[in-house]
Amino acid sequence: DSGVTQTPKHLITATGQRVTLRCSPRSGDLSVYWYQQSLDQGLQFLIQYYNGEERAKGNILERFSAQQFPDLHSELNLSSLELGDSALYFCASSGTGTVPFGDYGYTFGSGTRLTVV
Amino acid sequence: EDKVVQSPLSLVVHEGDTVTLNCSYEVTNFRSLLWYKQEKKAPTFLFMLTSSGIEKKSGRLSSILDKKELFSILNITATQTGDSAVYLCAVGSQTNDMRFGAGTRLTVKP
Repeated sequence: DSGVTQTPKHLITATGQRVTLRCSPRSGDLSVYWYQQSLDQGLQFLIQYYNGEERAKGNILERFSAQQFPDLHSELNLSSLELGDSALYFCASSGTGTVPFGDYGYTFGSGTRLTVV
Repeated sequence: EDKVVQSPLSLVVHEGDTVTLNCSYEVTNFRSLLWYKQEKKAPTFLFMLTSSGIEKKSGRLSSILDKKELFSILNITATQTGDSAVYLCAVGSQTNDMRFGAGTRLTVKP
């Protein structure tokens, strides 16, 4: 157990629907990162939050949004889902915004596998 | 545009072989280069490299960074079937995000 908790582990939904993925970071970590990994693709950075505020944005679609709450858990909202959104979505956490990687890089959760049918 | 390129994309070896995985990068505001191992699910951290020429070692795995030529290698000696995985290279920038390469899929046959 890495200490980063993602729920649900699996999600199957229909095109056009909206889903919410949840992430609880490792205890003490202030930064949360969301990544998308499609079949045979590398990890694509979506967005980072640090202590409740958006810190960095990657290739995140306008249909997707995220937030980090005061208790530091984060949610990734995916709407108007398309077949191409089927992927493994990872959340990762790290210590602070000023020293984002520490000596151990990110700690990844086990991911949420989203299947859009 | 920032990019991280890994080679080869896949590799099949036999137990006992030595492998070298490559990672080249073009990233503005470079902070560090990291190697991860991904088996079934979450990537697990292997090494973080920030300085050129200093080898990091953990058992049969070792890695080194060349900041002048913008690349890193990951070596695995005396490979075992348990080394079969996707090895990911990532480069962290000063802006706190991390760009990953597509990975090298290593298969070690008995």
